[in-house]
Amino acid sequence: SQKIEQNSEALNIQEGKTATLTCNYTNYSPAYLQWYRQDPGRGPVFLLLIRENEKEKRKERLKVTFDTTLKQSLFHITASQPADSATYLCALGSFSSNTGKLIFGQGTTLQVKP
Amino acid sequence: DAMVIQNPRYQVTQFGKPVTLSCSQTLNHNVMYWYQQKSSQAPKLLFHYYDKDFNNEADTPDNFQSRRPNTSFCFLDIRSPGLGDAAMYLCATSRSRGSHLRYTFGSGTRLTVV
Repeated sequence: SQKIEQNSEALNIQEGKTATLTCNYTNYSPAYLQWYRQDPGRGPVFLLLIRENEKEKRKERLKVTFDTTLKQSLFHITASQPADSATYLCALGSFSSNTGKLIFGQGTTLQVKP
Repeated sequence: DAMVIQNPRYQVTQFGKPVTLSCSQTLNHNVMYWYQQKSSQAPKLLFHYYDKDFNNEADTPDNFQSRRPNTSFCFLDIRSPGLGDAAMYLCATSRSRGSHLRYTFGSGTRLTVV
């Protein structure tokens, strides 16, 4: 069955360092991969989208890579700040169904310490 | 500001007592989704509407129903809530179908079943 895996252990890093979060998937051929940020008790907020034929996408301090051979996406936050502390979810959508449904991973919690 | 609003933010209901959660949007988006998210888990899609076209997920229990009386509003009805239905319920919208489109989420409704 289709599976999306994000590191369930929280990632703790020091302010100013680069945070790298991983999203792995199996039994899936996503056309698009999206990353969302979720703060406690709130709904997810869209951050970035990357297409299957794109290797890398950047937005300010954020960078996403997408390797369809490894079936993996990496999400980087450079010069991390305490305000970046949140849970980050990856979500996949496929060409096979044009309903636009996104399947979400369980998220990785990032803690940035001052 | 255009947005997705969920009411109430917190809902306590008794075991077996029907409950309705509401979602409204000012984005004029065609698609509205309902997700269930339990603690530290991935949001799980229950169903979605594309305009008036209702699409149920195969594993969504019959206990969960939905209504979309117009473009702006969508309701989630839980006919006989059980303790296992306690979760955060997230409403999301997207402009149309297609997983290249970002979702806009509401802040969620936290449901407690006593």
